[in-house]
Amino acid sequence: AQSVTQLDSHVSVSEGTPVLLRCNYSSSYSPSLFWYVQHPNKGLQLLLKYTSAATLVKGINGFEAEFKKSETSFHLTKPSAHMSDAAEYFCVVSDNTDKLIFGTGTRLQVFP
Amino acid sequence: GAVVSQHPSRVICKSGTSVKIECRSLDFQATTMFWYRQFPKQSLMLMATSNEGSKATYEQGVEKDKFLINHASLTLSTLTVTSAHPEDSSFYICSARDAGYNYGYTFGSGTRLTVV
Repeated sequence: AQSVTQLDSHVSVSEGTPVLLRCNYSSSYSPSLFWYVQHPNKGLQLLLKYTSAATLVKGINGFEAEFKKSETSFHLTKPSAHMSDAAEYFCVVSDNTDKLIFGTGTRLQVFP
Repeated sequence: GAVVSQHPSRVICKSGTSVKIECRSLDFQATTMFWYRQFPKQSLMLMATSNEGSKATYEQGVEKDKFLINHASLTLSTLTVTSAHPEDSSFYICSARDAGYNYGYTFGSGTRLTVV
């Protein structure tokens, strides 16, 4: 069965510093992996997705993630945090029935 | 890009009444729609998957008679919370996918349901 583990429930960074949100996955076959962002009381916006093409995936708003099969990881990074990046981030894996399986989320706080 | 409109964004209802939430795909045909529930500060839990013209498939532990899902057309799915109780208060989010997977999974903006 597929699953994702988001290693940090809460990450705090200063504006202008790098962001790292960690995600490990478990899958019995080559997975599709996604990162979504959710602002308070809003729906989810797709940041980026990996579907067995390039292992380094570039997304919107300067975010990117690297698929590392040997480490079963798909960490999300951004070189320089902005105040508007403060939100909840979900790492998601798609199973073989096309259902999305969500991680528990990481709340990103950005301090001025 | 693909847009999914979810309505209402916020609803308050009395215990025992029913509430209908609509999810519409505005610029693509959503052959599959998903309904999620999200408790405060928690992740999204899939409630059910619906394919146009067929009965929804509910996840284990989700009462199909309480959460009625109708996917009557390729652009509209509805979730009706019947005989709502305070414990049904939650944030409900729909997601839609087209047959060709051209747009991936597109999420609605969510509905905050409060049962008083």
